Amino acid sequence: AQSVAQPEDQVNVAEGNPLTVKCTYSVSGNPYLFWYVQYPNRGLQFLLKYITGDNLVKGSYGFEAEFNKSQTSFHLKKPSALVSDSALYFCAVRPNQAGTALIFGKGTTLSVSS
Amino acid sequence: GAVVSQHPSRVICKSGTSVKIECRSLDFQATTMFWYRQFPKQSLMLMATSNEGSKATYEQGVEKDKFLINHASLTLSTLTVTSAHPEDSSFYICSARGLAGRFLYSTDTQYFGPGTRLTVL
Repeated sequence: AQSVAQPEDQVNVAEGNPLTVKCTYSVSGNPYLFWYVQYPNRGLQFLLKYITGDNLVKGSYGFEAEFNKSQTSFHLKKPSALVSDSALYFCAVRPNQAGTALIFGKGTTLSVSS
Repeated sequence: GAVVSQHPSRVICKSGTSVKIECRSLDFQATTMFWYRQFPKQSLMLMATSNEGSKATYEQGVEKDKFLINHASLTLSTLTVTSAHPEDSSFYICSARGLAGRFLYSTDTQYFGPGTRLTVL
């Protein structure tokens, strides 16, 4: 079965430190990969995506993600965390087939302390 | 980026009543819209995929007669929860994937609405 794994329920970092939120996937072919962020009682906001090209993708709010095909991973990173980055982060994969919906990971809560 | 709206943002209703939730793509045409349900501190569960002008495709375990989906135009999809019960209380989120518009990558990316909090008493 196709799936997305976010192995950490919560990631805690201090403001100013680098952060990484992990994501691995099990999807056949060459999927499209996405990161979304959700603030309390709000919908999901698109951060970035990888379709093809450079393995390092830059997105909104200073976030970036590195695609690693051999490890089937798409970890989200930011060089210097802000308190305002505290939120729930979802990794999602869309199998490269027309009309298919996103497959979401269970989400990782990022907590940035001042 | 592309904007998707949902209305209402919050609704409280009595058990047995029906509730309609609207999802609109404001600045792009959405050939496909998706409806998700999210329980507290959990991931999104896809309920159905809605294509403009055709019947929605429901995920396994989702009752199509209870969760009626209509995608009548390229900018509007509606989800009607019929005969709602307390167990239907949840956060419902729609997303839209574009056909064409002002945004180059709108055909690849799903843009999400802000969600609708449904509480059934």
